[in-house]
Formats: sequence, C-alpha cells, structure tokens
Amino acid sequence: GDSVTQMEGPVTLSEEAFLTINCTYTATGYPSLFWYVQYPGEGLQLLLKATKADDKGSNKGFEATYRKETTSFHLEKGSVQVSDSAVYFCALSDPDYKLSFGAGTTVTVRA
Amino acid sequence: DAGVIQSPRHEVTEMGQEVTLRCKPISGHDYLFWYRQTMMRGLELLIYFNNNVPIDDSGMPEDRFSAKMPNASFSTLKIQPSEPRDSAVYFCASGTSGFHEQYFGPGTRLTVT
Repeated sequence: GDSVTQMEGPVTLSEEAFLTINCTYTATGYPSLFWYVQYPGEGLQLLLKATKADDKGSNKGFEATYRKETTSFHLEKGSVQVSDSAVYFCALSDPDYKLSFGAGTTVTVRA
Repeated sequence: DAGVIQSPRHEVTEMGQEVTLRCKPISGHDYLFWYRQTMMRGLELLIYFNNNVPIDDSGMPEDRFSAKMPNASFSTLKIQPSEPRDSAVYFCASGTSGFHEQYFGPGTRLTVT
C-alpha cells in the first residue's frame, strides 16, 4: 500500500540555518503530497501541498517540490527562526482521500 | 471561518467510564476523519465519513469504539468502556471533494486512569 518515509529526528539547528527534511513515498498512482506542521499542544496545520509532478509548494518560506522520478518531496527552508520549532509531517493522499503520514520529524531551532 | 471545532479539549476519566468526543467540521466540507495520536503509534486513522456515511472503519481498534455522524455539522467518537490504553490525543479533520488536503481540529487529550 501507499506509504511515506521521512528522516528521523530530532533535528536541532541554530537560527538562520538551512533546514532540509527528507521525505520519500511509495504509491501506486499519482498522489497529492503534503507537509503538515504541529506546534506543541495543537493540531496539525497544512503547511504546503503539491498535486502533480514538478509542482512546487511553498508557504512561510518553506518549499517542497514533487519529484516523481525520485518519489520524493523534501521540505526546505533557507533561514529558520525559533518560531519554526515544531514537528513536521510528510503525507500523501490516496484516491479515496485518506492520508498516509510519515512518522514526523521534530525540529528545534535555538536562538 | 472557525475551522474544525472539537470538544472537550481535555478529558480525564476513570477506567470503565463512557467517553464521548465531539467534532464540528468546517462548513461545506463533505469528508470527516477521526485520528488518534500517541507517541508509540504516531497518527492512526480510525474512521472516516463522506456525506455523513461511514466509508472505512478498519482503523477502529475494537468494538469499544464507535463513531456517528448524524448530520453534516456534527460527529461523535464514543469509547465504552474506556481503558488506560485509550489515553491519547484524538483529532478530527475535515476535507472537501476534489481537494485532498485535510484540516485538523485542535484535538482532545484523553487520559484514562
């Protein structure tokens, strides 16, 4: 079945550092891909999405490109802030609208 | 828009008691999902509805769990009787046909003692 694998954390960075979180997927069709972010004590928030190959999703300085040839959707941000400390989840959607989530990557940004 | 609304935000109950979690999806959304999140198992899809009809309940852990959606603006997840291993954060999410993203509520943190 469909699945998502993302890099394990935790990841600790200094402010203004470059962030990359790797995500690869396995799917039989052409899923939509997502990154969600979860701040402490809150629900998951949609960060960005891409619905077809070569689409680039972007939001709040974060970017991810749907790479069909490598079945990847890596999340990047050029200069992180303390407020970016959170858990990040990669996810894909199957044709029945169910989401498959990665295990989550905890990111801590130090001032 | 108010987003997905869940209540209560926190629930502490004793083993054997009935627990009811509530969810109001975003107006106009026709999909509703119930998830459970724990450190050990991560995010698990329990059940989801389309147009108030349960589509897939294969994630419901056992018969103690049940879910209903009597109308487009309200859903409940019930655990009867509750057990300590049910302690988790339960999320409700909603979405709309044609768009695969889901919008999550703030969650209900359930503690069963």
